[in-house]
Amino acid sequence: KQEVTQIPAALSVPEGENLVLNCSFTDSAIYNLQWFRQDPGKGLTSLLLIQSSQREQTSGRLNASLDKSSGRSTLYIAASQPGDSATYLCAVRPRRGSTLGRLYFGRGTQLTVWP
Amino acid sequence: DAGVIQSPRHEVTEMGQEVTLRCKPISGHNSLFWYRQTMMRGLELLIYFNNNVPIDDSGMPEDRFSAKMPNASFSTLKIQPSEPRDSAVYFCASLGGEYTGELFFGEGSRLTVL
Repeated sequence: KQEVTQIPAALSVPEGENLVLNCSFTDSAIYNLQWFRQDPGKGLTSLLLIQSSQREQTSGRLNASLDKSSGRSTLYIAASQPGDSATYLCAVRPRRGSTLGRLYFGRGTQLTVWP
Repeated sequence: DAGVIQSPRHEVTEMGQEVTLRCKPISGHNSLFWYRQTMMRGLELLIYFNNNVPIDDSGMPEDRFSAKMPNASFSTLKIQPSEPRDSAVYFCASLGGEYTGELFFGEGSRLTVL
């Protein structure tokens, strides 16, 4: 069974810092990997989706990389802002088992950016 | 696009009562997922549908839980009878594009069973 781990569980930084959030998964046979943001009391907002054939995706100040062979993905946040404070979750869709499959989620990294 | 729409946003009920949660997926999406989120267990997949057909319901906790998708634009998750341990946030999500596979979530239904 695919297991997804996110480190660190929580992170508190001053505004302006560049951040790296880590996600690791145990089975490299994945269809894609998706990063989400969750604000308190809200649903999950999709940030970036990386297909298994891709190495990275970028959106604004966010950059996500994927290294399937080592079972790792990183989410890089440049010049962090207080508005980036949220929980960030990664999820992988395994290739084995079914065409669509289920997403396996990490427990998330709770990020606080203080002014 | 209105996104995935869930109702009710909040539900407080007493143990033993029936609870029905509703979801309208994004138009054109042909896969729908129900998740439950708690502090203890994080996000758990309960069931998912493809083209209105249940594909994997192995995450449904027990017979008290049931889900239906009578058409492409509507799904329900029912709990009968409800118990305090069912208290959680229930999310519905729909899948955009079988090959791109980007999942979009609703805002969730927060259920409290007293």
